[in-house]
Amino acid sequence: DVKVTQSSRYLVKRTGEKVFLECVQDMDHENMFWYRQDPGLGLRLIYFSYDVKMKEKGDIPEGYSVSREKKERFSLILESASTNQTSMYLCASSLAQLNTGAFFGQGTRLTVV
Amino acid sequence: AQSVAQPEDQVNVAEGNPLTVKCTYSVSGNPYLFWYVQYPNRGLQFLLKYITGDNLVKGSYGFEAEFNKSQTSFHLKKPSALVSDSALYFCAVRDGGYSTLTFGKGTMLLVSP
Repeated sequence: DVKVTQSSRYLVKRTGEKVFLECVQDMDHENMFWYRQDPGLGLRLIYFSYDVKMKEKGDIPEGYSVSREKKERFSLILESASTNQTSMYLCASSLAQLNTGAFFGQGTRLTVV
Repeated sequence: AQSVAQPEDQVNVAEGNPLTVKCTYSVSGNPYLFWYVQYPNRGLQFLLKYITGDNLVKGSYGFEAEFNKSQTSFHLKKPSALVSDSALYFCAVRDGGYSTLTFGKGTMLLVSP
């Protein structure tokens, strides 16, 4: 069974902290994504990566960075967490082919206090 | 650019009745269309997709969707709703010029006993 695993289900961090969200997929997928989900706004793309060490900005990259050192792992970094980054974060992966969908992790609910 | 609209924030239906969750899209090329479902505090689960071929696509849990090119729509349907179908549903689109999925804002489906 395909699997995308996010390291934490729930996180509480303080304003100004550096926060790492980790995501691992076991499907040998080329593409990996980080989305943010907020009520009434749906899913918004933060960053994606189509290969190791490659990254592209999504719709809302400000305040975030990413790292992909290995094919199976994609990390989202909040350099200095702020309260407006309190949200549900969803990692996903997919094959490179455009006719495939994406597989999602279970989500990390981050609260910044 | 690619975009998706889900015009209803919430759909209410009685158990046993047919349900429809609406989705319209905009792409520059041929669309690849997807429906996902999300249960509380969980990631997104794939329901079905349209790539090419028959306009009526069948998916998981008895759901189906009808692709209508002239109306640029991809509505999700089920002949007989279950209380357990209550969840948040997302429509997504991907076209030939993009590597990423664009999601709608989601529609909450509430099925009453």
